[in-house]
Amino acid sequence: QSALTQPASVSGSPGQSITISCTGTSSDVGNYNLVSWYQQHPGKAPKLMIYEDSRRPSGVSNRFSGSKSGNTASLTISGLQAEDEADYYCCSYAGSTTYVFGSGTKVTVL
Amino acid sequence: QVTLKESGPVLVKPTETLTLTCTVSGFSLRNGGMGVSWIRQPPGRALEWLAHIFSNDEKSYSTSLRNRLTISEDTSKSQVVLTMTNMAPVDTATYYCARSEAYEWDYWGQGTLVTVSS
Repeated sequence: QSALTQPASVSGSPGQSITISCTGTSSDVGNYNLVSWYQQHPGKAPKLMIYEDSRRPSGVSNRFSGSKSGNTASLTISGLQAEDEADYYCCSYAGSTTYVFGSGTKVTVL
Repeated sequence: QVTLKESGPVLVKPTETLTLTCTVSGFSLRNGGMGVSWIRQPPGRALEWLAHIFSNDEKSYSTSLRNRLTISEDTSKSQVVLTMTNMAPVDTATYYCARSEAYEWDYWGQGTLVTVSS
């Protein structure tokens, strides 16, 4: 499978909202409600932020929200904070118990 | 408290076989629906899913790496083992193991950096 397409970088000022897109195909993102999003700070393991397209795990700030339309999923961070500066990866179930990650997006808080 | 910890060689030579072990605690590999994946990340690059093993011992592999990977579990030791054959410099990466109860990974190990070099 080819990696899902994400913008290389997104930036915003504190307090603003930003949205990261994740584009796949009708065989992965568009075929299952199983997109998850991970936050990764430098030198750290990824952290689950969103699962099943839009569900938020316990303990994750409600400033993080997920959505999907067709073959494109999105992660929105509202009320941007300095601690949100990190890399973000989407991942989709791709059938036959396989998974595909996105190319990753670096979020910069200006 | 759920934890996962990867262990294995720091350095392997080209053409060698890599064996990595993920030791888990705080949950049982026998629990229905539970699974563990191996995921890697080359320096400065994106995450890549490699393989997954379910509690019923069903296994799945990345299509592109299927011929080189084997995932197995030793439930008595609470360990999941990944072997990757014919290692090459492009396989240099941090290798993570991560737990899933469904279709996402809620707990991750700290990762282990494996360098492939002669």
